[in-house]
Amino acid sequence: AQKITQTQPGMFVQEKEAVTLDCTYDTSDQSYGLFWYKQPSSGEMIFLIYQGSYDEQNATEGRYSLNFQKARKSANLVISASQLGDSAMYFCAMRCMDTGRRALTFGSGTRLQVQP
Amino acid sequence: DTGVSQNPRHKITKRGQNVTFRCDPISEHNRLYWYRQTLGQGPEFLTYFQNEAQLEKSRLLSDRFSAERPKGSFSTLEIQRTEQGDSAMYLCASSLVQGPPYNEQFFGPGTRLTVL
Repeated sequence: AQKITQTQPGMFVQEKEAVTLDCTYDTSDQSYGLFWYKQPSSGEMIFLIYQGSYDEQNATEGRYSLNFQKARKSANLVISASQLGDSAMYFCAMRCMDTGRRALTFGSGTRLQVQP
Repeated sequence: DTGVSQNPRHKITKRGQNVTFRCDPISEHNRLYWYRQTLGQGPEFLTYFQNEAQLEKSRLLSDRFSAERPKGSFSTLEIQRTEQGDSAMYLCASSLVQGPPYNEQFFGPGTRLTVL
């Protein structure tokens, strides 16, 4: 079974500052993928970034980077230079990559509020 | 807009009634997923299709729930004899079979169900 834990129900950050959203995971799978999604108030889940369990380098996508620490089973999302439009719910998710299973397992999310 | 679309966006029904939701995936995507999201939680996987074949079902998908994708294009999710506990956002997602290794799932805006 897979489990995602996000321990920060809510976070505040000042505009233009960086913020780290925490995610820890548990799985018995050897090959797995970690995902971050953003959910604005409109409800649609927006894919941000992906990290494979065998990837040696941390993933980056524009202002988003993923701080992957495999031994600690953590996959924290770092948002640099926060913008007001970053205010949303953020979900960490994972799935097994080496079987036919396609289901994503999500955490409970972190609500990020960017203050001007 | 060629993203995932879901109809209706909102549905209010009385306990015991049947409801049906529709999802139209991105046109070239042959995988389609259904998730349920209750207030304050992350999405939970319900089921997924590859073309018209239903390949994975969650234990959350009780016998009151049925999903179909008859021609491998749009999908419907039906809930029979609705209960108040069925009140949630029902999210649909789609992805490619051949694509980036992580086959990111693209989500629709969801259908919010309220059972009175």
